[in-house]
Order: sequence, then structure tokens, then C-alpha cells
Amino acid sequence: QTVVTQEPSFSVSPGGTVTLTCGLSSGSVSTRYYPSWYQQTPGQAPRTLIYSTNTRSSGVPDRFSGSILGNKAALTITGAQADDECDYYCVLYMGSGIWVFGGGTKLTVL
Amino acid sequence: QVQLVESGGGVVQPGRSLRLSCVASGFTLSTKGMHWVRQAPGKGLEWVAVIWSDGSKEYYVDSVKGRFTISRDNAKNTLHLQMNGLRAEDTAVYYCARDVGMCPVDWGQGTLVTVSS
Repeated sequence: QTVVTQEPSFSVSPGGTVTLTCGLSSGSVSTRYYPSWYQQTPGQAPRTLIYSTNTRSSGVPDRFSGSILGNKAALTITGAQADDECDYYCVLYMGSGIWVFGGGTKLTVL
Repeated sequence: QVQLVESGGGVVQPGRSLRLSCVASGFTLSTKGMHWVRQAPGKGLEWVAVIWSDGSKEYYVDSVKGRFTISRDNAKNTLHLQMNGLRAEDTAVYYCARDVGMCPVDWGQGTLVTVSS
């Protein structure tokens, strides 16, 4: 069973840049996995930031960007703000009609 | 704009059934693939099921296969999730999401299902 991996936690300074990654326990992530990224604050529904590797969802500021870095999908946040402090999830399409979420990254801005 | 509103959650005993609904507006349900995603209390997101835009295919996470059924009522622009044989580990907030280019993109606010005796 392939596992989708994310850093459990990450820290960034206000105004700084952070890159979160989304990998596979076996193999490399490519665009054919259609990686997507979501932001979630406690008690709220997920908010889509990026889908299909690097397409920004409607209303998402351009300081959020998606890419493939090496063998992983990546979400880069530039100019980190206090309200970026929350959980971030990625999901990959594994083929055969199956999607798998990563375990999420708790981002701290301090 | 796209809006998804889930309903049907509640408290149910183990082994019983529940049917969730997701009413879509701002688009025609039959033109898009649709997902169900859940989140157990204090845990991460878990993809549960998808139905293809033409309704020709349905896929499920292994843990719900044979127990859950995803379906759509195009006349009512409504997505359903029929959940049978519920277990304590099915306790979660259930979200429906609209697919865009093989990605869940537009989300509802969720409905809470609690399986407890």
C-alpha cells in the first residue's frame, strides 16, 4: 500500500518563504498524479489552494504556488502571514479511480 | 457560484445505516465527477469515494467497499452516500467535493456522522 507523505510540522517566520512537500513511500510524484493542496483551519472545511500541480484555485493569492520539485509535489508559500498558520493537506490521484491524502502538515508562523 | 450543501448526518448505532445528501447549485451535477471525503475527529482528511461525471464508474477506499454506495440524482442535482453496516471508525465529518480535472476542488461545509451505541 503506497503512502502519501508530508512533513508532520513546519515552521516559518513572518514574511518568510516555506516549501511543503508531498511524496510517495515508493516512487516519484509527477504531474500524472494531479497533486492538489488544501488549507484547513480548525472546525472549517478544507479550502483548495492549488490543483492539478500548479493551478491556483479561484481567489487564492499568488503567494501560494505549486510545483514538482525533484520527486515530490511542492507547495510554496511566500511572504508568510500569521493567518497562514493552520494545517495543509495534499492529495494524489493514484490511478484506477483512487485518491489518497497525505497525513497533513501543521504550519506554525513564528 | 458553485455551492455544495451536505445533510443527513447524525448519531447512529453500530451496524445501522445512514444516507448522506449533497445538494449542488451553480453547476449541473451530471457534468462533473463528485467525491466524498471524510475527517475523523482530530485526524486528517481521508478520501472515501468518487463517481464519474457520466455515472459510469464508482470507486471506493478499501475500508468502505461493500458497505458504502455513492450515487447521484441528476433530476434533483443531488449526490448521495448510502452508508450501511456503520462502524465506530466511520465517525467523521463527511464532505462532498466537486471534481475539476481529476482533483477535488469545490467543497461543502460537511456533515457530522457519529457511530455510537
